[in-house]
Amino acid sequence: NAGVTQTPKFQVLKTGQSMTLQCAQDMNHNSMYWYRQDPGMGLRLIYYSASEGTTDKGEVPNGYNVSRLNKREFSLRLESAAPSQTSVYFCASSDVGLNGYTFGSGTRLTVV
Amino acid sequence: QKEVEQNSGPLSVPEGAIASLNCTYSDRGSQSFFWYRQYSGKSPELIMSIYSNGDKEDGRFTAQLNKASQYVSLLIRDSQPSDSATYLCALGGGGSNYKLTFGKGTLLTVNP
Repeated sequence: NAGVTQTPKFQVLKTGQSMTLQCAQDMNHNSMYWYRQDPGMGLRLIYYSASEGTTDKGEVPNGYNVSRLNKREFSLRLESAAPSQTSVYFCASSDVGLNGYTFGSGTRLTVV
Repeated sequence: QKEVEQNSGPLSVPEGAIASLNCTYSDRGSQSFFWYRQYSGKSPELIMSIYSNGDKEDGRFTAQLNKASQYVSLLIRDSQPSDSATYLCALGGGGSNYKLTFGKGTLLTVNP
């Protein structure tokens, strides 16, 4: 009963490097989300995918891209990492909007 | 833009007491309301959802919703040290709007 699986759990990047955060869910959920969480800022939505084949910007999309690879997988890419992208990133999924989210365990990213 | 306001705390209560956590919101179109618990270094975990005015009880937890006054609260009875965590209020628009907006959270400390 894995739920939402995120990889990697920790990552250190140098400024300008790129990387992809992976997320997969096994609950047959239609919707998936990427959030970042920073001290004092709460959870902020980066991108979301309401259903397979669709993606939309959230509150803080600049510097990120996403791919909904299939119904299970939703990846987040940082093309040129900046120190301001140092954060904890959470992936989440839901079946319909009224039932809340299930979160992955998070990725702690540090950009130096 | 939706706003969700929570007192950042910390809220400190003795073991066995009732902890009361409050959340106010700006969007009258919100239809679904959630409380998440987040232990330090962990991902948010859904503990309560409420959609209609009134109270909803689940074990030691009671969620209260008042749409006219635009607030939602969480009561934790017989508080335990294991309840010490940050509690996040989240709300959703319902229908085809799958996105949740989160408050910044209230840190609860239960003292033995």
